[in-house]
Amino acid sequence: DTAVSQTPKYLVTQMGNDKSIKCEQNLGHDTMYWYKQDSKKFLKIMFSYNNKELIINETVPNRFSPKSPDKAHLNLHINSLELGDSAVYFCASSRGGGYYEQYFGPGTRLTVT
Amino acid sequence: GQQVMQIPQYQHVQEGEDFTTYCNSSTTLSNIQWYKQRPGGHPVFLIQLVKSGEVKKQKRLTFQFGEAKKNSSLHITATQTTDVGTYFCAGNGGTSYGKLTFGQGTILTVHP
Repeated sequence: DTAVSQTPKYLVTQMGNDKSIKCEQNLGHDTMYWYKQDSKKFLKIMFSYNNKELIINETVPNRFSPKSPDKAHLNLHINSLELGDSAVYFCASSRGGGYYEQYFGPGTRLTVT
Repeated sequence: GQQVMQIPQYQHVQEGEDFTTYCNSSTTLSNIQWYKQRPGGHPVFLIQLVKSGEVKKQKRLTFQFGEAKKNSSLHITATQTTDVGTYFCAGNGGTSYGKLTFGQGTILTVHP
């Protein structure tokens, strides 16, 4: 059983389109995250939810909107995609905040052309 | 805001050589975690350090947390080709909900 899963694994789309990435965890964790990893491997947190409540919202364009329908799912919707959005997006989950290890999903490689 | 700097950004070693990556935080940390990301993979948790001056070992890997809890290091003895990947430190500044701030990562290449 995959602990943290993401779909799709690859996403190629054109500028201006809207796309969504889905994430699910079966670990029973309360906290979920979205990270963006750029071409230089830098991992930057975007959002974090705890029990469906948004608790971390970094400086991210309004075009990015997370949604957590329940504590096992955290989706990311991106409007009006731009070239600079091309990156690998990782979902992660943990039992709580920064004292608990994070389990990462396999990542979604987004390419905007 | 809190910053976590990690050096070096790249390290190339011959198999059998040692490797060290260093992590420095602009603020005192509550705890620090280390992750490894294999090429094409996702970050995987290695270890967490919490106490000042703490040293932990996992086989050939030695992790240290500084006395001031502002720096940390990961040392690999006698590298193997399986050690290839990017190593990240991630610091928790202790704010509510404990956001982890990741270092830039060190990309390790091991030449056989």
